[in-house]
Amino acid sequence: EDKVVQSPLSLVVHEGDTVTLNCSYEVTNFRSLLWYKQEKKAPTFLFMLTSSGIEKKSGRLSSILDKKELFSILNITATQTGDSAIYLCAGSGGGADGLTFGKGTHLIIQP
Amino acid sequence: DGGITQSPKYLFRKEGQNVTLSCEQNLNHDAMYWYRQDPGQGLRLIYYSQIVNDFQKGDIAEGYSVSREKKESFPLTVTSAQKNPTAFYLCASSASYRGGYTFGSGTRLTVV
Repeated sequence: EDKVVQSPLSLVVHEGDTVTLNCSYEVTNFRSLLWYKQEKKAPTFLFMLTSSGIEKKSGRLSSILDKKELFSILNITATQTGDSAIYLCAGSGGGADGLTFGKGTHLIIQP
Repeated sequence: DGGITQSPKYLFRKEGQNVTLSCEQNLNHDAMYWYRQDPGQGLRLIYYSQIVNDFQKGDIAEGYSVSREKKESFPLTVTSAQKNPTAFYLCASSASYRGGYTFGSGTRLTVV
């Protein structure tokens, strides 16, 4: 059975701090790993990672995949209160049933 | 603009009632999915459909039913057999089962 594990499950930091969110996966016929940000409603897409060692960057957010260790991290630098959200990691395999999601990391940025 | 529309945003159900959650997409996506989200549980797959008139059970299908009569629409019925239906329900679609998702804004169902 496919599995995605995120850590920590919750994290409270102060504005300006840098955070690292972790995601490990066991996905049959792994194809890609995706990160989403969920505030109050629909998760919004952040990154899709398919190749090992290539960092993807969008503003203060960046992510990288390690296919040997079956691991990905999401970094957020100079955090702002607007970064407060649940961050979801999901693995995509060869099955038609789509993505396997982790439980998410609930990130709270305090002013 | 293309997207996924879920309705209603909030829904209250009395015990013993069936309710239907709507999900409509105009992205021309083949695949559609229903997830349930509970606090601390992440997203769990209820049902998915890759093509019209075909759908498959996910990990927690008991007490739910779906239909896929049109490519654009994938309604979810929460039946009285679902013992703990209070949750946040998310619909998603993708161009193929290998792609990333586009999510709807969700329906929060509460049993009263």
